[in-house]
Amino acid sequence: AQSVTQLDSHVSVSEGTPVLLRCNYSSSYSPSLFWYVQHPNKGLQLLLKYTSAATLVKGINGFEAEFKKSETSFHLTKPSAHMSDAAEYFCVVSDRSGQAGTALIFGKGTTLSVSS
Amino acid sequence: DTAVSQTPKYLVTQMGNDKSIKCEQNLGHDTMYWYKQDSKKFLKIMFSYNNKELIINETVPNRFSPKSPDKAHLNLHINSLELGDSAVYFCASRESTTASPLHFGNGTRLTVT
Repeated sequence: AQSVTQLDSHVSVSEGTPVLLRCNYSSSYSPSLFWYVQHPNKGLQLLLKYTSAATLVKGINGFEAEFKKSETSFHLTKPSAHMSDAAEYFCVVSDRSGQAGTALIFGKGTTLSVSS
Repeated sequence: DTAVSQTPKYLVTQMGNDKSIKCEQNLGHDTMYWYKQDSKKFLKIMFSYNNKELIINETVPNRFSPKSPDKAHLNLHINSLELGDSAVYFCASRESTTASPLHFGNGTRLTVT
């Protein structure tokens, strides 16, 4: 069974400083991993995905994440935060067992606050 | 050119009523889902369908019944609504390949009074 743990429920940064949102996963199979962002009162938008190609994955809006199998981690980073990055971020794991309709399991989310 | 659309966006109703939420996707995906987001923002899967066949049926009350008339539609009917059903419900779809991401609708905010 797969699971995902987001290590911080809330992260606060200043505009222009780096962002690090931490995620650890557990999966019985080789996983696919995703990061989604949800702005207040909005739907969920895919930031990036890892699917066994390059371990360093680049996403939208300057975000990237690195898959580290030895650490079972998939942390999300951005070199310089913008005010518009303030949102809820979800790390998501999907096992690649091949069964159609497999659940994608969400972490509990990390709230990113950006101050000026 | 909306990819995953759900209606209504807001639903306010009284306890005991029956309501439905509709979802349609025009992405040609085989698999559709319902997720529930509670007040703490936690997203939990409720159901998944693949080509109209129910695949995942998590431990939700029997009052919740999904229906998939075709692979582009997945509706959610809720009987005898309770206060605890208040949440945001998201429909999503994806290709049946295991590496594909979810594409979400904008959500339906259900408030039961």
